[in-house]
Amino acid sequence: AQSVTQLDSQVPVFEEAPVELRCNYSSSVSVYLFWYVQYPNQGLQLLLKYLSGSTLVKGINGFEAEFNKSQTSFHLRKPSVHISDTAEYFCAAERSNDYKLSFGAGTTVTVRA
Amino acid sequence: NAGVMQNPRHLVRRRGQEARLRCSPMKGHSHVYWYRQLPEEGLKFMVYLQKENIIDESGMPKERFSAEFPKEGPSILRIQQVVRGDSAAYFCASSPVAGIRVNEQFFGPGTRLTVL
Repeated sequence: AQSVTQLDSQVPVFEEAPVELRCNYSSSVSVYLFWYVQYPNQGLQLLLKYLSGSTLVKGINGFEAEFNKSQTSFHLRKPSVHISDTAEYFCAAERSNDYKLSFGAGTTVTVRA
Repeated sequence: NAGVMQNPRHLVRRRGQEARLRCSPMKGHSHVYWYRQLPEEGLKFMVYLQKENIIDESGMPKERFSAEFPKEGPSILRIQQVVRGDSAAYFCASSPVAGIRVNEQFFGPGTRLTVL
């Protein structure tokens, strides 16, 4: 079974500072990897996804993530955060040719002025 | 194009009552997935449905839980005789197709069920 671990449950950060959210997955087969964001009282919105090809993936709102197969990681980064980035972020994995998403427990990012 | 809609957004039930959660997929989507998020945990897959068919219910508890996606109308997740442990956020997602190639699942805002 797929397993996704988000190493930080809470990440406080100051506005305009960089942020990195860590995600590790376990799988013996090829996987597709995703980052979702959930703003308060809203559904999950896809930030970016890795399917194949370039290991550096750029997403919406200035976020990017790097797939590292040897370390089985897919960390999310943003060089300069805004107050509006305050939200919960979920890392997810899907085995190739499957449809079930396995989610990490989420990381709550709180951006302060 | 309206997104995935779920209602109610919040549902309070007493132990032993029934809970019905509804999900209307995005227009043009015929695949629906239900996930449950327990407190302090990530979302866990429950069931995958297409119109009038349950494709995979491997994540559903064997008792008290059922799901349907009729030809007309929303998908329904039904929980009979709720217990406090059923308190969670239930998310629905939809996609146009599934299987061989990766398709983004579009998520609804969730229904937060509280069992008193």
